[in-house]
Amino acid sequence: AQKVTQAQTEISVVEKEDVTLDCVYETRDTTYYLFWYKQPPSGELVFLIRRNSFDEQNEISGRYSWNFQKSTSSFNFTITASQVVDSAVYFCALSEEIGFGNEKLTFGTGTRLTIIP
Amino acid sequence: KAGVTQTPRYLIKTRGQQVTLSCSPISGHRSVSWYQQTPGQGLQFLFEYFSETQRNKGNFPGRFSGRQFSNSRSEMNVSTLELGDSALYLCASSLAKGGGLTYEQYFGPGTRLTVT
Repeated sequence: AQKVTQAQTEISVVEKEDVTLDCVYETRDTTYYLFWYKQPPSGELVFLIRRNSFDEQNEISGRYSWNFQKSTSSFNFTITASQVVDSAVYFCALSEEIGFGNEKLTFGTGTRLTIIP
Repeated sequence: KAGVTQTPRYLIKTRGQQVTLSCSPISGHRSVSWYQQTPGQGLQFLFEYFSETQRNKGNFPGRFSGRQFSNSRSEMNVSTLELGDSALYLCASSLAKGGGLTYEQYFGPGTRLTVT
């Protein structure tokens, strides 16, 4: 069975500090997809990134960057120069492909990030 | 392009009643998934529909059911409500086609159901 672990339940940092959110996953499949979602206080899950298991290149998007390492089954998310608007719950998720596209996501328990002004 | 919409946004029901939640996906998206979010269990997958067919189902009792219409809109129904069904129910849509590639899911704002 697939599993996603986000060991950090809550993190607080002072504005402008960098912060890394950890994600460790378990799966027996060779083809799978990893995602990060942000859930602000409004409640709606906002898609941040999708990465497939064959693409281990790190990705940078503005202040956000992602480090995917298959050797350690990790897909960590770093926010550089954090801002108050980054305060939210962040979820890591895993989806396995089975034939015609499995749309089932297995989520981690989330990390609540608080940016202190 | 309009996002995923869910109605109603808030709902209060009593135990034993049934409820129907509605979801309209992003235009062009044919896959709709439903998730339940609670403080204790987190985000859990309920089911996924594609072209009016349920393709995948999570580990929930038969009281939870859903359907998808020809225009991709979806409904989920919960019968004989229990207190533990109080949760945020999230609908997500994606561009999923017939095979081979998993696309990202876009979520709606959710329906917060309270069972008293």
